[in-house]
Amino acid sequence: ETGVTQTPRHLVMGMTNKKSLKCEQHLGHNAMYWYKQSAKKPLELMFVYNFKEQTENNSVPSRFSPECPNSSHLFLHLHTLQPEDSALYLCASSQDFRGASGANVLTFGAGSRLTVL
Amino acid sequence: DQQVKQNSPSLSVQEGRISILNCDYTNSMFDYFLWYKKYPAEGPTFLISISSIKDKNEDGRFTVFLNKSAKHLSLHIVPSQPGDSAVYFCAASGINNQGGKLIFGQGTELSVKP
Repeated sequence: ETGVTQTPRHLVMGMTNKKSLKCEQHLGHNAMYWYKQSAKKPLELMFVYNFKEQTENNSVPSRFSPECPNSSHLFLHLHTLQPEDSALYLCASSQDFRGASGANVLTFGAGSRLTVL
Repeated sequence: DQQVKQNSPSLSVQEGRISILNCDYTNSMFDYFLWYKKYPAEGPTFLISISSIKDKNEDGRFTVFLNKSAKHLSLHIVPSQPGDSAVYFCAASGINNQGGKLIFGQGTELSVKP
């Protein structure tokens, strides 16, 4: 397995469910990201972890809870979501976060398509 | 307020012709710009980038132009091929040296007709 792998690829959940999205990278990168892509909108940065430490939380509601147990794995725990949270959730990684501009090309996973009923 | 804008949601081009995708930005602190390509059911993949110290970067059929005074960049694809049909996102970074914090535009869907 190479690159950035996300599971599950598709998830349907009710508003009272608790589920998790998983991301794994095999690139030896030190920074990992969660992005949200809603229809007709730009990709929105949600969270950044650099060397397992959260460095960015882009005013994301607490019903989204990230977890980064090590530099290769990133989770997004979901609970009591709303229908407007339905979107494509993309995980990405890069060599580092606070490097010089240009040194941080992000490699994305294929995404997890979430539908909240 | 959207700092990176792609005002054309879609573009249709004939095979062999030039495709020009445009992107505007508002933040003068951006110093690095990237283009990503996304096929359906796949994640975005890096295509080409340009630093603010340059005004042009070329990689095969792909050329990115940067006009800092106009806060505008464009991606030229010559010649366009049907396999280039995808959604193209421009992105910018460089605020306070946070190189990994990419700010994306909303994307332009390119369709190349055979």
